[in-house]
Amino acid sequence: KQEVTQIPAALSVPEGENLVLNCSFTDSAIYNLQWFRQDPGKGLTSLLLIQSSQREQTSGRLNASLDKSSGRSTLYIAASQPGDSATYLCACVSGGYNKLIFGAGTRLAVHP
Amino acid sequence: KAGVTQTPRYLIKTRGQQVTLSCSPISGHRSVSWYQQTPGQGLQFLFEYFSETQRNKGNFPGRFSGRQFSNSRSEMNVSTLELGDSALYLCASSFSGSGGDTQYFGPGTRLTVL
Repeated sequence: KQEVTQIPAALSVPEGENLVLNCSFTDSAIYNLQWFRQDPGKGLTSLLLIQSSQREQTSGRLNASLDKSSGRSTLYIAASQPGDSATYLCACVSGGYNKLIFGAGTRLAVHP
Repeated sequence: KAGVTQTPRYLIKTRGQQVTLSCSPISGHRSVSWYQQTPGQGLQFLFEYFSETQRNKGNFPGRFSGRQFSNSRSEMNVSTLELGDSALYLCASSFSGSGGDTQYFGPGTRLTVL
C-alpha cells in the first residue's frame, strides 16, 4: 500500500531564502508525481508534474526532482516571497489510473 | 480555457439528509476524480470516472456514490449524512485516463453536516 510522507510539516522562513520541501513514498512503482499548492480554504493548484521516467522538472523559481529508486522527491523554491506562503502537497499516481495518493503537506510561511 | 468548476461552493445539511455535488471538468477532459479533504485524514481518494465508467474506488462506505455523464460532467452523492462527512470535497479532471497527465482541481465544495 502506497504511503506518502512530507517533511517538514511546517516551515517558517524569511523572504529571499531558498528552501527545500521533501516528499517520500514507499512504493517506487508510480506513474508520476505531482506537486500542488493549496491556499487556505481553496482548491489545489498544480505546480509541477514529473513523469516516472523523468528526473526533474522546472517552472520559474520552482524545481522538482524525482528519485524513484530511493522513493524521494524534493521541491526547491528559489528566492522565496511572502506570496509563496501556502500548503504544499505532493501526490503520486499509484495503484492504477488517476488515483492520487497525497502526503499530509508542508505548511510554508514566508515572512517579510 | 475555463478551469474545473464545482457547484455549489458551500452546503449546510443535517444528519440523515442526502446531498449531491456537481463537477464540470475542463473542456476535452474525460477523466474526473473525487477527493475528500478533512483536517484529520487529509486528502483521500473517493472514486474516478472515465468515459462514464467508474474505474477506481477508494475505501469509503457505499453511502458515497457518483456518476459521470456523456459530456464528462460528474456528480457525487452522499446519502444518510453523518457528522464525519463534513469536509471539503474536491474534484479533479485530466485529459486522458492513462495516469500520466496533470490533474487539475476545482475550488471544492465545503460541506457542513449539523
